[in-house]
Amino acid sequence: DAKTTQPNSMESNEEEPVHLPCNHSTISGTDYIHWYRQLPSQGPEYVIHGLTSNVNNRMASLAIAEDRKSSTLILHRATLRDAAVYYCILRGGFGNEKLTFGTGTRLTIIP
Amino acid sequence: GAGVSQSPSNKVTEKGKDVELRCDPISGHTALYWYRQSLGQGLEFLIYFQGNSAPDKSGLPSDRFSAERTGGSVSTLTIQRTQQEDSAVYLCASSSSRDAYNSPLHFGNGTRLTVT
Repeated sequence: DAKTTQPNSMESNEEEPVHLPCNHSTISGTDYIHWYRQLPSQGPEYVIHGLTSNVNNRMASLAIAEDRKSSTLILHRATLRDAAVYYCILRGGFGNEKLTFGTGTRLTIIP
Repeated sequence: GAGVSQSPSNKVTEKGKDVELRCDPISGHTALYWYRQSLGQGLEFLIYFQGNSAPDKSGLPSDRFSAERTGGSVSTLTIQRTQQEDSAVYLCASSSSRDAYNSPLHFGNGTRLTVT
């Protein structure tokens, strides 16, 4: 499986934007970039995914570098509820349907 | 609509006993996954179902672990002769498409298993 690299932890102030980076230099052409988050005592929650173009949804935005070797999850206005572990995962192609979770980034929101 | 449902939410069992964990996926979802998460650790993949068949069982840690899925819906994860190292949260997820790599996974809140 292609690997991703994320910072272990980040802090952000409430009501400010948050940019969570992810490096994936060995990404293949068929790999989608998925982001999930896990709040305390809950199962992971889907956030967003994309292939080449930037993506927006009600939760976040995903900015994908032109060479696809890195991406950034953007939370436009962090709230206390956004405190979680954020996972960046590559997923692609038949026979590779499972998600392989790394250690993720623990995001702390400062009131 | 209803999400992925897992039961029981908590299970305490004695070492050596067998346990069954149940997962009800979102209606119509063809793909189903089992993961486990030990305290303070990351998520560990166990098994993946597409319909009733399991094309990827690579994460099952030993032959004490088995899983089945019937009618393309409910799945049961069985752990025989439980050991203390089996203590973890067991998470189930489902997704809607055969092209699973392009469909999000929806997770349940898990079954917390404690082996005493």
